[in-house]
Amino acid sequence: GNSVTQMEGPVTLSEEAFLTINCTYTATGYPSLFWYVQYPGEGLQLLLKATKADDKGSNKGFEATYRKETTSFHLEKGSVQVSDSAVYFCALSDRGAGSYQLTFGKGTKLSVIP
Amino acid sequence: DTAVSQTPKYLVTQMGNDKSIKCEQNLGHDTMYWYKQDSKKFLKIMFSYNNKELIINETVPNRFSPKSPDKAHLNLHINSLELGDSAVYFCASSQPTSGAGEDTQYFGPGTRLTVL
Repeated sequence: GNSVTQMEGPVTLSEEAFLTINCTYTATGYPSLFWYVQYPGEGLQLLLKATKADDKGSNKGFEATYRKETTSFHLEKGSVQVSDSAVYFCALSDRGAGSYQLTFGKGTKLSVIP
Repeated sequence: DTAVSQTPKYLVTQMGNDKSIKCEQNLGHDTMYWYKQDSKKFLKIMFSYNNKELIINETVPNRFSPKSPDKAHLNLHINSLELGDSAVYFCASSQPTSGAGEDTQYFGPGTRLTVL
């Protein structure tokens, strides 16, 4: 079956530090990959996505590249801000298997301190 | 305009009661979902409906019954609530197409259910 493994948190960084949150996946078909973000007390928002190998998703200074050879989709940001404090979820949707549900990682809580 | 909305935002109830959570999307999507987020933030699919028909039903107690009166609505009814049902429930929708990015799901704000 499908699975997503992302680094355990919580992660605490100082403002302007470099961020990497690792994500690897296992899928039976040809998945699309996503990062969702959940700000405190809010629902999930799509942060970025990539639908095929070597695609790079980017949004709000965050980037992630779909690496099929390493089955990874690591999230990066060059300079984090306090407002980036949130829980980040890596997820996949496996179109090849004919199902549409998202399989999520366990989430990584990021805290950015001034 | 809110794309995916849920009501209520908070729901506190006693064990054994029956309750419903409503979800509506104005995106014109064909597929809607319910997810459960537990106390450790882990998210898991519960149900998926496409054009009012059930297409995914994960291992969920039959006390949970989704109902889709039309493709813009997917409500979740829960009978005989138990303590372990306490969680945040998220509704989502997507529009599967043959083009790239068809899997993108848009989430509602969540309903925090607390069973006492």
